[in-house]
Amino acid sequence: AQTVTQSQPEMSVQEAETVTLSCTYDTSESDYYLFWYKQPPSRQMILVIRQEAYKQQNATENRFSVNFQKAAKSFSLKISDSQLGDAAMYFCAYRSGGAQKLVFGQGTRLTINP
Amino acid sequence: EAGVAQSPRYKIIEKRQSVAFWCNPISGHATLYWYQQILGQGPKLLIQFQNNGVVDDSQLPKDRFSAERLKGVDSTLKIQPAKLEDSAVYLCASSFRQATGELFFGEGSRLTVL
Repeated sequence: AQTVTQSQPEMSVQEAETVTLSCTYDTSESDYYLFWYKQPPSRQMILVIRQEAYKQQNATENRFSVNFQKAAKSFSLKISDSQLGDAAMYFCAYRSGGAQKLVFGQGTRLTINP
Repeated sequence: EAGVAQSPRYKIIEKRQSVAFWCNPISGHATLYWYQQILGQGPKLLIQFQNNGVVDDSQLPKDRFSAERLKGVDSTLKIQPAKLEDSAVYLCASSFRQATGELFFGEGSRLTVL
């Protein structure tokens, strides 16, 4: 079974600085997708960024980018120019190409210090 | 576009009582998911529907949990009888394009079992 591990339960960063959240996963499949979801306090979870495993180029969405290391099964999220609104739980998630469900990591709570 | 609607937002019950949660997905989304998120953990899939058929219920405790999606739209998740360890947030999500894997989440229903 696929597993997703986030080894940082909590992270903090100064406003306007850069922070990287780590994620590793375990799979024997070659076709899969990886995601970072953001869950603000008492708000619904929203998609931050998505990476298809077959793509070598790292995905980027404005201030959010990933470092996808397929051989190492690593998928980290970099947030540049951190803003107060970035404070949330961040979940790394895996989806098999042949399945539809997401498997989530344990989450990392990100605090932004003004 | 209206998002995923869930109710109630909060529910407190005593153990051995029953509870039901309701979800209305985004219009046109064929796939509906119920996830259980225990405090401090990532969401865990309970059941996945494709239209009104069950795709995956392998992690649903069927002795006490049940779910249905009549007419392939709204869904209800029921717990009877509830146990203390069922205290969690129950997240409903829906998706349209299965290949992209993006799930749209509701705000969740927080259950406290005393």
